[in-house]
Amino acid sequence: QQQVKQSPQSLIVQKGGISIINCAYENTAFDYFPWYQQFPGKGPALLIAIRPDVSEKKEGRFTISFNKSAKQFSLHIMDSQPGDSATYFCAASMSGQNFVFGPGTRLSVLP
Amino acid sequence: NAGVTQTPKFQVLKTGQSMTLQCAQDMNHNSMYWYRQDPGMGLRLIYYSASEGTTDKGEVPNGYNVSRLNKREFSLRLESAAPSQTSVYFCASSMTWAEEQYFGPGTRLTVT
Repeated sequence: QQQVKQSPQSLIVQKGGISIINCAYENTAFDYFPWYQQFPGKGPALLIAIRPDVSEKKEGRFTISFNKSAKQFSLHIMDSQPGDSATYFCAASMSGQNFVFGPGTRLSVLP
Repeated sequence: NAGVTQTPKFQVLKTGQSMTLQCAQDMNHNSMYWYRQDPGMGLRLIYYSASEGTTDKGEVPNGYNVSRLNKREFSLRLESAAPSQTSVYFCASSMTWAEEQYFGPGTRLTVT
């Protein structure tokens, strides 16, 4: 019940395309869903996060879509750029509990 | 602000050797964490310190010990390194437990 599943494992997108990464969870008590971006040789950095009281959150080219009934949330990267090439992790947590991270998606954006 | 710093950046150990990974944060955060990252397995929590003076086991604590030296510093010790501990280790901190976490640059450890 503590697992967060993430797909795809890897993704190749052309420059200007839309990148979509999906995550699913089981524990309905989770109430915070962040996405982290990690460049090679660096630590993960918070990209965008959502709480279940909204269905969508947008920051620039990055959007989280949240489907509470399906227990799924996804990251959309619009107008993908080569500089977006990185590994993306979704995570889930609830008050008083540690984060549970998905296994990661390696995104490559071709020029 | 340096954020979260980790030393060393790289380390090679022989099986059975011991070492301590150091972590410090300058954001006045209360909570600190140690993760390991292995290919295809995401980030797995080793130990955490929800507040100064407390430490607790995470998902994969076996073979590790931690010390919360003060509010700024949180160290991870491998008493007798094993090849299965070859990994990239990340320290993180947050203002309060399980809130937004800030990660350090990582330590790449190889045990031969």
